[in-house]
Amino acid sequence: DGGITQSPKYLFRKEGQNVTLSCEQNLNHDAMYWYRQDPGQGLRLIYYSQIVNDFQKGDIAEGYSVSREKKESFPLTVTSAQKNPTAFYLCASSTGRISGANVLTFGAGSRLTVL
Amino acid sequence: AQKVTQAQTEISVVEKEDVTLDCVYETRDTTYYLFWYKQPPSGELVFLIRRNSFDEQNEISGRYSWNFQKSTSSFNFTITASQVVDSAVYFCALSESQGAQKLVFGQGTRLTINP
Repeated sequence: DGGITQSPKYLFRKEGQNVTLSCEQNLNHDAMYWYRQDPGQGLRLIYYSQIVNDFQKGDIAEGYSVSREKKESFPLTVTSAQKNPTAFYLCASSTGRISGANVLTFGAGSRLTVL
Repeated sequence: AQKVTQAQTEISVVEKEDVTLDCVYETRDTTYYLFWYKQPPSGELVFLIRRNSFDEQNEISGRYSWNFQKSTSSFNFTITASQVVDSAVYFCALSESQGAQKLVFGQGTRLTINP
């Protein structure tokens, strides 16, 4: 079945460490996204990518980095510069050109906890 | 600036009751898209509906219905004869039609259906 796989599902990190969250899709979607979800809040966009080797900052990109070396993969690195990284991270994808009409397909998320 | 408000943080009803989830939005654009997504306990968001700003027809899909009213900037979601499986967090979201992905989510409404 086609879908988005995020790993790990749960991750614990010590302060000062970088961690990388994996996102892989087999939907042949062109665009991929990373969102952050905090308790009682909506999702906020971190980064998005329309094509391989190209990505754009979202609303809360500070302290995060991404790469898009393959169409299927869009890993997110949470760096030590991110001051409050404890959150639920969701990866998503959509077909075709990025526009406001895009319907997003989401992965099951990764929960990051900083100890 | 775009904004989506879901004033109901949590709703709890007994199975078979009807329930309406409110969504109020703000935008300066004349062309935009509205969405509802469902987030079950498993974590991934599931797309329910997309509506563009020029289509004010109400929509019904099984037990689900949506009421879009531009005059009040609202896009409410009603579940008829609720079931325990409807328990989830529901997000309303708004996107401009042009340019890059700018999907703005509401805070979400946690719906609990009790047997």
